[in-house]
Amino acid sequence: ILNVEQSPQSLHVQEGDSTNFTCSFPSSNFYALHWYRWETAKSPEALFVMTLNGDEKKKGRISATLNTKEGYSYLYIKGSQPEDSATYLCALRGSQGNLIFGKGTKLSVKP
Amino acid sequence: EPEVTQTPSHQVTQMGQEVILRCVPISNHLYFYWYRQILGQKVEFLVSFYNNEISEKSEIFDDQFSVERPDGSNFTLKIRSTKLEDSAMYFCASSAEKVVNQPQHFGDGTRLSIL
Repeated sequence: ILNVEQSPQSLHVQEGDSTNFTCSFPSSNFYALHWYRWETAKSPEALFVMTLNGDEKKKGRISATLNTKEGYSYLYIKGSQPEDSATYLCALRGSQGNLIFGKGTKLSVKP
Repeated sequence: EPEVTQTPSHQVTQMGQEVILRCVPISNHLYFYWYRQILGQKVEFLVSFYNNEISEKSEIFDDQFSVERPDGSNFTLKIRSTKLEDSAMYFCASSAEKVVNQPQHFGDGTRLSIL
């Protein structure tokens, strides 16, 4: 059974701080890694789909890197804002297109 | 921006009753999925659907579950005889293609509470 782990489980930062969290996954038979941003009572919002070892993707103040050989991805947020408060989910794509999710990192940014 | 819509947002049902959760995927998408999240646990894959048939299903998706696309726009998940442990948030998702770099777009979810 494929297992995706995320750390930390939760994170509290001050506005303006930069932060990062980790997603770990089995490195064999890799297809793709998805990052989602999920605010309470809303739908998970797709941030990145990463497929190649060494991939780096950026969307505004949020960026992500991928290492498929060692089985991890980092998500970085530069200069955190209160509106960045959300749960950040990573998900490994299975061979049939299904997503295998981690438990998420819940980020709280205090003004 | 086109989005996936799910109804109802909250469904309360007595144990043993049938429930149907409805989803309208993004209109030009071809691949459809159901996931669920039991409170405090990970989001779990249930089933994927393409070309009017199930592509893949998880161990959770037993004979009590079924999916269909009755009219070319709606995509439904039916639970035949609900159990207490079916209480969860159910998410529908769709994607345009099955290629590895396509994101899946999620709806807001239906919170199912079984009494």
